[in-house]
Amino acid sequence: DGGITQSPKYLFRKEGQNVTLSCEQNLNHDAMYWYRQDPGQGLRLIYYSQIVNDFQKGDIAEGYSVSREKKESFPLTVTSAQKNPTAFYLCASSPSGNQPQHFGDGTRLSIL
Amino acid sequence: QKEVEQNSGPLSVPEGAIASLNCTYSDRGSQSFFWYRQYSGKSPELIMSIYSNGDKEDGRFTAQLNKASQYVSLLIRDSQPSDSATYLCALLGYSGAGSYQLTFGKGTKLSVIP
Repeated sequence: DGGITQSPKYLFRKEGQNVTLSCEQNLNHDAMYWYRQDPGQGLRLIYYSQIVNDFQKGDIAEGYSVSREKKESFPLTVTSAQKNPTAFYLCASSPSGNQPQHFGDGTRLSIL
Repeated sequence: QKEVEQNSGPLSVPEGAIASLNCTYSDRGSQSFFWYRQYSGKSPELIMSIYSNGDKEDGRFTAQLNKASQYVSLLIRDSQPSDSATYLCALLGYSGAGSYQLTFGKGTKLSVIP
């Protein structure tokens, strides 16, 4: 089945720890995105990539890092510098930057 | 700063009625508009796209766009309890250097009462 796979579904982070969220797509999409959603809030863009080996900061990139070494994969690292990481993290992809985005099932990150 | 405004609701409608969800936006340069449905605890699902002024119908859903008034709406006819969800309005705008960004509203929560 074609789609966007995020893992893990739930993740817990200890103080001072970096954690990495996985996002893989087999849709042959060029563009991939990471969003954060807090309760009662809209989605806020963390990072996006419109081509392999290139990515740009979104509106709330501080405390996060990404890589785009393969077209299929766009992992997000939540670093210890992100002081309020508890949120629902959503990965999305689109055929190109100016086309509709489709989402994976998300990862819920909590602090231990 | 692009802004997308939605009434947070909750909007309650009886089963079988028409639900009307509204969205206003600030960026006149936006070209593409989308409605996503998000069930509680789940990820958003794209249900409608609209690119030009007027109405676009898909089954029980109709999206309406008025660029002059910077207004986009979603009508759900014959509302069903399974339509109960949060509906997110989103617009795609050019952010420079060949890049585009999707800006989301905070969503309107719809409850369809049996």
